[in-house]
Amino acid sequence: ETGVTQTPRHLVMGMTNKKSLKCEQHLGHNAMYWYKQSAKKPLELMFVYSLEERVENNSVPSRFSPECPNSSHLFLHLHTLQPEDSALYLCASSQDLESSYEQYFGPGTRLTVT
Amino acid sequence: GEDVEQSLFLSVREGDSSVINCTYTDSSSTYLYWYKQEPGAGLQLLTYIFSNMDMKQDQRLTVLLNKKDKHLSLRIADTQTGDSAIYFCAESHTGGFKTIFGAGTRLFVKA
Repeated sequence: ETGVTQTPRHLVMGMTNKKSLKCEQHLGHNAMYWYKQSAKKPLELMFVYSLEERVENNSVPSRFSPECPNSSHLFLHLHTLQPEDSALYLCASSQDLESSYEQYFGPGTRLTVT
Repeated sequence: GEDVEQSLFLSVREGDSSVINCTYTDSSSTYLYWYKQEPGAGLQLLTYIFSNMDMKQDQRLTVLLNKKDKHLSLRIADTQTGDSAIYFCAESHTGGFKTIFGAGTRLFVKA
């Protein structure tokens, strides 16, 4: 048990759908992250939140919209995605930004865009 | 820019040692990491090393850092089938929250 959970674990959506990915951490951490993992490519950092405030938006298309209502929950809202957005989306948390060297990852949501 | 490179595949026999190599470009890296990802799971931090260290050992795992050559390696002694996974090398700086990952090395362990 990593203390970071993600739902759903698998998601198939059409390009016109709207869906949301959810991440919850039970570790009392203050920083949370969204990563995209595509086949045979390095992990790409998408967004970083610290104390519910976004501190990094890594040139991510606007069809991905993050939300952090409190320090335990992080969402990634998806709309009008493209097939190339199919990937594993990983959430992570750390005690704070200064402790980002010790991130705890969730199991990921496997997203397929048809 | 910052870059972390590692080979994509490694195959070893059960009981042998595995050595996974990684090179990075950023000489100001402070932390270097090894993560393990098993099928269907997220990344698990295996170990990390500070840039002022040459070696770190933790049970079957040995991390070697050659800062001059910007080369990091992970040695797994007595490799078991349960070690089959993807191993990611990564680096970051003090005070920074951006961790740069390699593409991962898939380790196959043959019985």
